[in-house]
Amino acid sequence: NAGVTQTPKFQVLKTGQSMTLQCAQDMNHNSMYWYRQDPGMGLRLIYYSASEGTTDKGEVPNGYNVSRLNKREFSLRLESAAPSQTSVYFCASQRAGMDSPLHFGNGTRLTVT
Amino acid sequence: AQSVTQLGSHVSVSEGALVLLRCNYSSSVPPYLFWYVQYPNQGLQLLLKYTSAATLVKGINGFEAEFKKSETSFHLTKPSAHMSDAAEYFCAVSASNDYKLSFGAGTTVTVRA
Repeated sequence: NAGVTQTPKFQVLKTGQSMTLQCAQDMNHNSMYWYRQDPGMGLRLIYYSASEGTTDKGEVPNGYNVSRLNKREFSLRLESAAPSQTSVYFCASQRAGMDSPLHFGNGTRLTVT
Repeated sequence: AQSVTQLGSHVSVSEGALVLLRCNYSSSVPPYLFWYVQYPNQGLQLLLKYTSAATLVKGINGFEAEFKKSETSFHLTKPSAHMSDAAEYFCAVSASNDYKLSFGAGTTVTVRA
């Protein structure tokens, strides 16, 4: 059981470069999420997808775009990376309903210089 | 909207001692409450959750938490700390009418031999 798989694990970008973070889940979950984790700030929601075909902004969406490609895959794109986007990014999936726990990937550590 | 406050960003305990991590929440509707654990270089894993059933919730690895509505608290405890409990712990809150799971800033636990 792979669960939630994120690629890449590490990435270094220069300011202004673009990249896409990939996420796939094999648990047939309806909802998927992108969070960023910064020291002392916990996890902050960037975007989420309650179901295939829908996406919504979270707490910190500026500078990011997402695509729910199908039920399994939810990608996060940085069009023009900025140093403030240096962070650890986590993808998560959820079966259904807010009483269900989130299942997290192992994260992507992104550094923007 | 929901929010979470975790008191204490770092907790140090001796092996065999009580672990107590504090979490207070605010929510305009009955909340769902979660504790997650994060080991180094990994994603978050669910420890336990409260979803309006029993107020004392037992989780994995000997942890438990008590929901106290009057105090808006959901503190996490473990009677006897083990070296393997060294990790970062996050309290989180959601509500049935909102897809946004809000995380606290996290508490790092170190265990002294």
